[in-house]
Amino acid sequence: RKEVEQDPGPFNVPEGATVAFNCTYSNSASQSFFWYRQDCRKEPKLLMSVYSSGNEDGRFTAQLNRASQYISLLIRDSKLSDSATYLCVVYTGGSYIPTFGRGTSLIVHP
Amino acid sequence: DVKVTQSSRYLVKRTGEKVFLECVQDMDHENMFWYRQDPGLGLRLIYFSYDVKMKEKGDIPEGYSVSREKKERFSLILESASTNQTSMYLCASSLGTGPPSGDTQYFGPGTRLTVL
Repeated sequence: RKEVEQDPGPFNVPEGATVAFNCTYSNSASQSFFWYRQDCRKEPKLLMSVYSSGNEDGRFTAQLNRASQYISLLIRDSKLSDSATYLCVVYTGGSYIPTFGRGTSLIVHP
Repeated sequence: DVKVTQSSRYLVKRTGEKVFLECVQDMDHENMFWYRQDPGLGLRLIYFSYDVKMKEKGDIPEGYSVSREKKERFSLILESASTNQTSMYLCASSLGTGPPSGDTQYFGPGTRLTVL
């Protein structure tokens, strides 16, 4: 079983919609969590960190549920430019090596 | 802005050839990584280096080797390329001197390697 799991999608939503993705992790020693974004034929880039208390960056909200071992990303008022693959990234206890999920594909259509 | 560059965007090689993929970062980062990315499989770590001349195997090191002679440069070597090594290869770097958890990865643009 993969340590970090994501629904590959694609999630196909209209502009203006609210969409949410989850990412589950299996290692309870996981300490730090992030969302990266990867545009088609481009490299992944950090989107946002995920803090224990939840955090927001404009239209994006990230949350962590340690009890159920998942993180979530909520995108409000989706834009065409939000179309991308969203990668969940988890660091486990003292390691510099991240574990990447396989990504969730989002397609926002007019 | 951190910049990670890779020597080629596209590369076509023949089976059995020795292939060198070069990666350079300009932010004095301690850690450097080589990944390959394949559809449906996501990013898989090949090798990791946390210091000059230091390396650790990742999840899929077979058929690959690496070299880090200078802090800013991390090379991936395919000793004898095979068709199953056709993939997108991504290099990344991270600061490495702060707390290990939460070390932001900065990626290069990738090299799409085709082995015929």
